[in-house]
Amino acid sequence: NAGVTQTPKFRVLKTGQSMTLLCAQDMNHEYMYWYRQDPGMGLRLIHYSVGEGTTAKGEVPDGYNVSRLKKQNFLLGLESAAPSQTSVYFCASRSQPSTDTQYFGPGTRLTVL
Amino acid sequence: GQQVMQIPQYQHVQEGEDFTTYCNSSTTLSNIQWYKQRPGGHPVFLIQLVKSGEVKKQKRLTFQFGEAKKNSSLHITATQTTDVGTYFCAGAESGGYQKVTFGTGTKLQVIP
Repeated sequence: NAGVTQTPKFRVLKTGQSMTLLCAQDMNHEYMYWYRQDPGMGLRLIHYSVGEGTTAKGEVPDGYNVSRLKKQNFLLGLESAAPSQTSVYFCASRSQPSTDTQYFGPGTRLTVL
Repeated sequence: GQQVMQIPQYQHVQEGEDFTTYCNSSTTLSNIQWYKQRPGGHPVFLIQLVKSGEVKKQKRLTFQFGEAKKNSSLHITATQTTDVGTYFCAGAESGGYQKVTFGTGTKLQVIP
């Protein structure tokens, strides 16, 4: 039982490049989330999913797209990276509405030059 | 939209001193959670409070949920160096179970 895993752990992009971050969970959780964390700030919700095939916008969705084709995976895409997207990205999952405990992945540190 | 603020932003304490962080929401919450993030790590769930006025303890940590369900606090008694990290509260709005809003966090540094 690996919990929540994220790949890659680190990535450096040039402005305008694209990439996809992968989040996988093996806990059969319905709800999955993508957050970004910037220095001195809390976690800000980018997009989330309440089940396979569903996605919804969070607090800061611009410049990102997501897909949840399989229940265990939640992908975060950057189509044209910008320096403002330099951040640490965390994925999280949760089992059900009445249990709001979120389990976080180890994070992906992304730098956009 | 919902806003969750935490104070203080930073706190330095001598080992053995107490520490408290406060969390305030702009809207009424259905529940509040607390997370701890060690330097370089990811947030780890500590506890969830659901009832108005609820108080829960975990060893040296005491968590409170306000009567109006708009504020919360975390108190650590006799801090240890292992308490170092950033403490976040996260609140779910009433009726909104799909997502929570994280507070800005309080970074605790314990001086040995």
